[in-house]
Amino acid sequence: NAGVTQTPKFQVLKTGQSMTLQCAQDMNHNSMYWYRQDPGMGLRLIYYSASEGTTDKGEVPNGYNVSRLNKREFSLRLESAAPSQTSVYFCASSARTTGTSGSDYEQYFGPGTRLTVT
Amino acid sequence: LAKTTQPISMDSYEGQEVNITCSHNNIATNDYITWYQQFPSQGPRFIIQGYKTKVTNEVASLFIPADRKSSTLSLPRVSLSDTAVYYCLVVPYSGGGADGLTFGKGTHLIIQP
Repeated sequence: NAGVTQTPKFQVLKTGQSMTLQCAQDMNHNSMYWYRQDPGMGLRLIYYSASEGTTDKGEVPNGYNVSRLNKREFSLRLESAAPSQTSVYFCASSARTTGTSGSDYEQYFGPGTRLTVT
Repeated sequence: LAKTTQPISMDSYEGQEVNITCSHNNIATNDYITWYQQFPSQGPRFIIQGYKTKVTNEVASLFIPADRKSSTLSLPRVSLSDTAVYYCLVVPYSGGGADGLTFGKGTHLIIQP
């Protein structure tokens, strides 16, 4: 049981390049999330997926796209990287599902991807 | 959506009990209070959650007064390894969506020998 895995761990891009950050979870969770964390700051939600086949914008979605490929995988794509997107990116998952009640909103986080855009 | 306020930083010493208080004045009836811990270069880790009164697990205790407008995370007998950033979140009991997914800057707890 690996929990939440992210690839790659580190990446350096030049301005204008594109890349996809991969995330997978093996806990059969319904919801998945992408956050970014800038130095000395808290986490900011980029996009989330409350269930397979649905995605919604979070606080800072501009410059990013996501794909919920299946229940396990949720990818984040930078189409044209900018220096302002230099950050650490965390993927998370939880059992929480839209339309249901319960306390299954505990989030499990991956190890992060450290991205530098020059 | 309940906004949370916590101290930016706190210092303590090994062996002491540390209490970190979070204010959430406009918490809704169905909201839960959740705390996470984050070490440098790692993703946050869930510590504890509660609705009212007191919750205790092997890591920490969570105290919530009757009006639920604040909560206090209590770490007993801290060690150097408890140096981390601690986040307080208020999460709706029902439904999905992005409510309760704002981590803020958290409280940077520094434990000294």
